[in-house]
Amino acid sequence: GQNIDQPTEMTATEGAIVQINCTYQTSGFNGLFWYQQHAGEAPTFLSYNVLDGLEEKGRFSSFLSRSKGYSYLLLKELQMKDSASYLCAVGGYSTLTFGKGTMLLVSP
Amino acid sequence: GAGVSQSPSNKVTEKGKDVELRCDPISGHTALYWYRQRLGQGLEFLIYFQGNSAPDKSGLPSDRFSAERTGESVSTLTIQRTQQEDSAVYLCASSANPTGFNEKLFFGSGTQLSVL
Repeated sequence: GQNIDQPTEMTATEGAIVQINCTYQTSGFNGLFWYQQHAGEAPTFLSYNVLDGLEEKGRFSSFLSRSKGYSYLLLKELQMKDSASYLCAVGGYSTLTFGKGTMLLVSP
Repeated sequence: GAGVSQSPSNKVTEKGKDVELRCDPISGHTALYWYRQRLGQGLEFLIYFQGNSAPDKSGLPSDRFSAERTGESVSTLTIQRTQQEDSAVYLCASSANPTGFNEKLFFGSGTQLSVL
């Protein structure tokens, strides 16, 4: 089975940098995903890592260490619109299992 | 269509009634998923369809839940004899990858189910 842990809540200020961590235990691994979900909306895809290392995409970067079962999402130059829930998801043999999400609140 | 479409967007029902939720995936997407999201919780996997393969039903919480998909198009999730604990947002997602799911999922806006 899959077990995914991420912090419940985080706060940060506009313009700052924040790192959201995710640890996982899995019986099969086919990639690590990050999704963003604004309140009342559907999740939207942010990033995908299948190999170790850092993937950078604009203000957002995602890191993966398969040996440690660890990933993080790095958000730079935070904006108010980045206030949302960030979901870590792990791909197993046939399903994508989501963590409970980290609620990020960005304040002025 | 341009995106994943779900209907209805909201459904209020009485305990014990049956409900049917519909999902229209993005045209050409072979993989289709149903997830459930209770208030303040993460996404709970329910069922996965991939082309003509047998669906992965390992996430269905009880035999009151069932889902069907016609070919690579519309899917319906049916909940029989609804209970209050079934109240949640039911999200459908599709992806294009024919061999797995290491493609990003495109989610619909969900159906908010409230069981009174």
